Amino acid sequence: QVQLVQSGAEVKKPGASVRVSCKASGYTFTSYDINWVRQATGQGLEWMGWMNPNSGNTGYAQKFQGRVTMTRDTSISTAYMDLSSLTSEDTAMYYCTTSESHSGWFDPWGQGTLVTVSS
Amino acid sequence: QAVLTQPSSLSASPGASASLTCTLRSGINVGTYRIYWYQQKPGSPPQFLLRYRSDSDKQQGSGVPSRFSGSKDASANAGILLISGLQSEDEADYYCMIWHSSAWVFGGGTKLTVL
Repeated sequence: QVQLVQSGAEVKKPGASVRVSCKASGYTFTSYDINWVRQATGQGLEWMGWMNPNSGNTGYAQKFQGRVTMTRDTSISTAYMDLSSLTSEDTAMYYCTTSESHSGWFDPWGQGTLVTVSS
Repeated sequence: QAVLTQPSSLSASPGASASLTCTLRSGINVGTYRIYWYQQKPGSPPQFLLRYRSDSDKQQGSGVPSRFSGSKDASANAGILLISGLQSEDEADYYCMIWHSSAWVFGGGTKLTVL
């Protein structure tokens, strides 16, 4: 079945960077966009950006421009989300999810990766 | 003002219907947008429910019951998620989303309580 499996929880210090991975299985990795969405505890959903695994093209939410980088390794069907200059406000659950190109039908979703930023 | 505004909470009784609204900011015309709806239960990622632009342009998520439906209220500039025949399992957070200014934008979410 189509599945996205994300890397494990991370604890980072302010100012550091974090990389979250998202391994896809059960479908052709390059055929669907990968989107990243985050959610602080008890808060709403926040879209961070998208990546086309075939071309490598990306689009980022303005809020994260300059701080986020989305990449992929097609040989292992894995997408990556790097977020730099972390602050406590980046403490959140980070999700990857797939969609057809330019579609808001996000399905399925990864299980989530908790990133905690604390000194 | 936020692009999408949702009431923070809503309560309804089992068997009743619940109408969840997603109001677009003034100046953004609901008529031109596809509105996506997601359901999220505690400890789980969101799940796609449906998208709605018009009765001729809508799509239900895989396995989503037909008692979940979408519509719009043009006079209120809002998208609506209607859940009929409420069940206890419908208790969850619901989010709307649109594509606006080259970004996906979520509403703040509505916590639906079924009691």
